[in-house]
Amino acid sequence: EAQVTQNPRYLITVTGKKLTVTCSQNMNHEYMSWYRQDPGLGLRQIYYSMNVEVTDKGDVPEGYKVSRKEKRNFPLILESPSPNQTSLYFCASSLSRTGGSPLHFGNGTRLTVT
Amino acid sequence: AQKVTQAQTEISVVEKEDVTLDCVYETRDTTYYLFWYKQPPSGELVFLIRRNSFDEQNEISGRYSWNFQKSTSSFNFTITASQVVDSAVYFCALRDAGGTSYGKLTFGQGTILTVHP
Repeated sequence: EAQVTQNPRYLITVTGKKLTVTCSQNMNHEYMSWYRQDPGLGLRQIYYSMNVEVTDKGDVPEGYKVSRKEKRNFPLILESPSPNQTSLYFCASSLSRTGGSPLHFGNGTRLTVT
Repeated sequence: AQKVTQAQTEISVVEKEDVTLDCVYETRDTTYYLFWYKQPPSGELVFLIRRNSFDEQNEISGRYSWNFQKSTSSFNFTITASQVVDSAVYFCALRDAGGTSYGKLTFGQGTILTVHP
């Protein structure tokens, strides 16, 4: 089944404790991206990747890191999480960065930083 | 800059009513794509439809239909004979065709639809 898989689904952590949210897609998609969803602010792009070893900042990259060493994986790293990073996170992928290919989203990771 | 506006924050209907979710967009691109996504209470984002800027034909899929009007920059979504399972947050989104926004999907704020039995 074609899908984007994020793990974990739920995560509670404390301020400053490094964490990684994994994302993997099995559709051979070139383009991958991370979004966060917050009440009143909607869905905002954190980082994106147009292909292996090609990543760039989205609209809200502060406090996050990403890597794209393999085409299928695009982990999101929070080196020193803070409470303002409490959010619902989505990983997404599409065949390419151009508009014709829809973004397919993972099931989301609900992160709470205390 | 691209912008998507969903003016209806929340809509409440009774089952079997028809409901239309409005979406208005802004873009300087001549070629672009519009999308609708559904976010049910379980939280995932489900792709519903894609429409490109050159195709103004309305589309129908079962109880769902979409009306794209380039002249008014609108891409409205109608659910006919709504059901309780349609209760969700619905997002309209915009993506440029050429990749100048580096693949970013610009979302509206979402419309919370509640269908009561």
